Amino acid sequence: QVQLVESGGGLVKPGGSLRLSCAASGFTFSDHHMSWIRQAPGKGLEWLSYISSSGSTKYYADSVRGRFTISRDNAKNSSYLQMSSLRAEDTAVYYCARGQYFFEHWGQGNLVIVSS
Amino acid sequence: EIVMTQSPATLSVSPGERATLSCRASQSVSSNLAWYQQKPGQAPRLLIYGASTRATGIPARFSGSGSGTEFTLTISSLQSEDFAVYYCQHYNNWPQTFGQGTKVEIK
Repeated sequence: QVQLVESGGGLVKPGGSLRLSCAASGFTFSDHHMSWIRQAPGKGLEWLSYISSSGSTKYYADSVRGRFTISRDNAKNSSYLQMSSLRAEDTAVYYCARGQYFFEHWGQGNLVIVSS
Repeated sequence: EIVMTQSPATLSVSPGERATLSCRASQSVSSNLAWYQQKPGQAPRLLIYGASTRATGIPARFSGSGSGTEFTLTISSLQSEDFAVYYCQHYNNWPQTFGQGTKVEIK
């Protein structure tokens, strides 16, 4: 079955960096677009970034453009979200999800806390 | 950016009753609208895409309707496992945006 497992979250100081990983299994990873979505504590969902199946096309939300970079390694069946210049308002659970438009498969989420 | 507005914020419903959730887009999103269910501590679960197509394994008591700017998610007879937060999401253009959610609670 489709499985997405995020890792790499944790506590980071404001201005710091973190790289989240999303390990995929149960499907042909290179055939599918991937996205990242986050949810601040007690808040709603915010789409962050998209990467095409080949990695050639990427989109970002305004809130993270220039600070976050999405990437993928199809040989490793993994997607990544490199986060830099982190702010307190980036504190959230970060989800990877399979898909470009709507998301039928999600990871379990990975908590990122930005605090001094 | 298209703003998605859901109403009501909280809906109190008795088990077995019908629940009707609304989602409005600030401009037309055609039928490019999805609905998700989220329970505490869990990832969202896709219920509906294309405004009215049920995702794989979603019970028939969930139905979606609407197009353009007005959308509705109907749960025909609420079961205990349906008490959760529901989000709508448009994917008509970038950036995709979500509504703020409707919490369906037990009356």
